[in-house]
Amino acid sequence: GAGVSQSPSNKVTEKGKDVELRCDPISGHTALYWYRQSLGQGLEFLIYFQGNSAPDKSGLPSDRFSAERTGGSVSTLTIQRTQQEDSAVYLCASSSGGQPAEKLFFGSGTQLSVL
Amino acid sequence: KNQVEQSPQSLIILEGKNCTLQCNYTVSPFSNLRWYKQDTGRGPVSLTIMTFSENTKSNGRYTATLDADTKQSSLHITASQLSDSASYICVVRETGANNLFFGTGTRLTVIP
Repeated sequence: GAGVSQSPSNKVTEKGKDVELRCDPISGHTALYWYRQSLGQGLEFLIYFQGNSAPDKSGLPSDRFSAERTGGSVSTLTIQRTQQEDSAVYLCASSSGGQPAEKLFFGSGTQLSVL
Repeated sequence: KNQVEQSPQSLIILEGKNCTLQCNYTVSPFSNLRWYKQDTGRGPVSLTIMTFSENTKSNGRYTATLDADTKQSSLHITASQLSDSASYICVVRETGANNLFFGTGTRLTVIP
């Protein structure tokens, strides 16, 4: 596609429910990132996929968070047993991968609200 | 401690005026620094990249500077427009493919 696509754009869920957030990166981009942006806060790194390498999961805040990237393209971020503090905008970004000067292309994010 | 600090946190200026946003960092070893613009409800979009050897770079009405010795960067916006209202985020890359450090951004509001 022309840009990074994320769905849904908004998600309201009840505390304790599981949610899945989807990211469709730019075609051909080998690198994919997930970030979390809380109100008034900077972007918080969650996870990074680069080609077929093992993902860098060092930013995942707890074992309730997981992500996968199937076929090197679409990625899904799953949050199990959601908590109110999970409420944030979840941003996905992709890049051509591997180059220091590479530019990240961001999706518009998924606004997650946990009631 | 955040390795990228931005100031001011927020700024309101009149349309047509100039402004300068600051970014100080401690990230080392330094690879490059990018300024992103994030409109409300959208993802950040890259404005410019500064590498170690670059002191200043312009992109239209945006001019970025970098002082690698003092580890400071600025983004100067001239003749501001209402569409410049957004958050401006400074992102510093450490050597390494996924070592990115994000500032918390400056929220700019341009009023008529």
